[in-house]
Amino acid sequence: DAGVIQSPRHEVTEMGQEVTLRCKPISGHNSLFWYRQTMMRGLELLIYFNNNVPIDDSGMPEDRFSAKMPNASFSTLKIQPSEPRDSAVYFCASSRGHTTSVGTDTQYFGPGTRLTVL
Amino acid sequence: QKEVEQNSGPLSVPEGAIASLNCTYSDRGSQSFFWYRQYSGKSPELIMSIYSNGDKEDGRFTAQLNKASQYVSLLIRDSQPSDSATYLCAVSNFGNEKLTFGTGTRLTIIP
Repeated sequence: DAGVIQSPRHEVTEMGQEVTLRCKPISGHNSLFWYRQTMMRGLELLIYFNNNVPIDDSGMPEDRFSAKMPNASFSTLKIQPSEPRDSAVYFCASSRGHTTSVGTDTQYFGPGTRLTVL
Repeated sequence: QKEVEQNSGPLSVPEGAIASLNCTYSDRGSQSFFWYRQYSGKSPELIMSIYSNGDKEDGRFTAQLNKASQYVSLLIRDSQPSDSATYLCAVSNFGNEKLTFGTGTRLTIIP
C-alpha cells in the first residue's frame, strides 16, 4: 500500500517566487491535512479538507498561502509570494476521516517537503 | 499557556531501562490522544493512540491516560538505541479531526 506522497521533497527558491507543494493522500482516505514544522513553532496545522472541502483553515498564516483539493487524490499548497520566514518542512497527512463517539482516526504523514526561501 | 505541553528534553535513558514521556493538555474537551515518533529528518509516525482512561499496551509501549488530571504518558520498556527520536504528543477534541501537537520530547537511549 502506497503511503502519502509529496512532491517535491526539497525546494529552494528565492524570495518573491511562487512555490507549489503537492500531495497525494492514501487511497480511500477522506481527510487531508497540511502541516508546517519549524524548530521555533513545532508542528502546526495549516488547513484540512474532508471529502475535498476545506473544513478548517484557521492555521493558514496569511493571504500568501492558499490550498486546493480538486479531487480525492490530489492537493496543492501554494505560497505566493514566498518569504524567507516561510522556510520550513511542510507535511501532508491523510486519514479515513471518521470521527465517532470513541475518537478520531489516525493521521498518516507523508515524507514532507523541505522548503528553503533565500 | 500552551494547549499541549511536553518537556522538550533531551531525556537520556540507559539501554534496557524504562523511558517515561509525559504530556499535559489544557482543553477538558479533548477526546483522542496520540503519540507519534519522529526520527531526525523524517516524518512523524504513529506509535500509540488512546481514547479512554487507563493503560493501553502494545509491545514495549504503554500509553496511560488520566482525563481528570489532563495527563497522558508513554512508557517505553526495555529501551533500545533505535528508540532514540523525538516523541510528539497530539490531542483532538470530540468530533474534530484537528490535531494539536506538543513541541515534542527528544529521547536519547544510551548504549
